[in-house]
Amino acid sequence: GESVGLHLPTLSVQEGDNSIINCAYSNSASDYFIWYKQESGKGPQFIIDIRSNMDKRQGQRVTVLLNKTVKHLSLQIAATQPGDSAVYFCAEKLTGGGNKLTFGTGTQLKVEL
Amino acid sequence: DAGITQSPRHKVTETGTPVTLRCHQTENHRYMYWYRQDPGHGLRLIHYSYGVKDTDKGEVSDGYSVSRSKTEDFLLTLESATSSQTSVYFCAISDVGSRNGYEQYFGPGTRLTVT
Repeated sequence: GESVGLHLPTLSVQEGDNSIINCAYSNSASDYFIWYKQESGKGPQFIIDIRSNMDKRQGQRVTVLLNKTVKHLSLQIAATQPGDSAVYFCAEKLTGGGNKLTFGTGTQLKVEL
Repeated sequence: DAGITQSPRHKVTETGTPVTLRCHQTENHRYMYWYRQDPGHGLRLIHYSYGVKDTDKGEVSDGYSVSRSKTEDFLLTLESATSSQTSVYFCAISDVGSRNGYEQYFGPGTRLTVT
């Protein structure tokens, strides 16, 4: 597999700092959201999800925030590590859209030592 | 990769030739998907399947067909490959969406080059 690394917005952070990756979603009828991580040469990997009836959800070192008013999703990574370097993208599911997801284009996270 | 394999992992083919990509899962998940990933685009859905012999088109289905004769295998066929189909192809699977969410799990991808 390959990651899409060209023409992506890039976020550079120092190791140990917190990272915030943003995503603007398109449809106010979306009721479910996911964040994926894609390392170079691999397929996307599920990180965390959130339903539209929630504003915040926490996982291990990650937090997803959902602002439905402005259709904005963010992924916060605490104490960023070199292994966090990857492309991150969000996906949304439309209400009544079955199991189909629509994916964003992604953000490249680079962790500097 | 959640029990998902794709074959081949790399392929170079000539314009006009037929190509079949295979996705195999060992998770017994109902849903299977084929996506393509290109620079400047997010993952785009080509076709998906919601059961054996049950398939439907995605947003970029032109030039592609699929088949699912058993739960574990989902085939993507390019009947006559074109240079615009040069891409990285990902297969994904998911279980029936419910309390457990709608997350999809991805295979390692197939890089296809059409010359």
